[in-house]
Amino acid sequence: EAGVTQFPSHSVIEKGQTVTLRCDPISGHDNLYWYRRVMGKEIKFLLHFVKESKQDESGMPNNRFLAERTGGTYSTLKVQPAELEDSGVYFCASSLHTDTQYFGPGTRLTVL
Amino acid sequence: QKEVEQDPGPLSVPEGAIVSLNCTYSNSAFQYFMWYRQYSRKGPELLMYTYSSGNKEDGRFTAQVDKSSKYISLFIRDSQPSDSATYLCAMRRDSSYKLIFGSGTRLLVRP
Repeated sequence: EAGVTQFPSHSVIEKGQTVTLRCDPISGHDNLYWYRRVMGKEIKFLLHFVKESKQDESGMPNNRFLAERTGGTYSTLKVQPAELEDSGVYFCASSLHTDTQYFGPGTRLTVL
Repeated sequence: QKEVEQDPGPLSVPEGAIVSLNCTYSNSAFQYFMWYRQYSRKGPELLMYTYSSGNKEDGRFTAQVDKSSKYISLFIRDSQPSDSATYLCAMRRDSSYKLIFGSGTRLLVRP
């Protein structure tokens, strides 16, 4: 069974540009989560999808971040325009029910 | 004040040692407690999952939760160099899927 996959693995962009991160959850997992870790800090929750619906987006930092999950399958997280403080590692996770969240390898975002 | 506190380490031990990793938390509403292991440039991998207080054992790993003290522990017996990684505690409330993470403890097991 394939795990959670994320693309790209690393992205380097300049301040003001747009970046789109993609997450493919484990097949059949209705729950999809985005987290991020900025340097020196703990991993923090961004939002949670159940199928295509946003269940909880309380962790989204501001309106420069837009997450979508079309058709309840893969998800994208767009940052527009990117700022320096958006640099970090963005993790996606998925779960079948409420228990185990399986994490992807992360996308390392560097904003210059 | 952070909801979950975890000593960042690094913690360096010789191969074969018993390792003790700990987290404290402030929110008494947390009911589910997890330990993740993260190798460099990889995503967190779930090691142990515990509900409420008590102990849980899986091979060389034992997780303990003491809700009265708001303190959780992970013990690793017969530690191996392959156990060298960052260990993250995480927890959540009954009514939420949101995981709250500690900052992680770096562990180095010396051959």
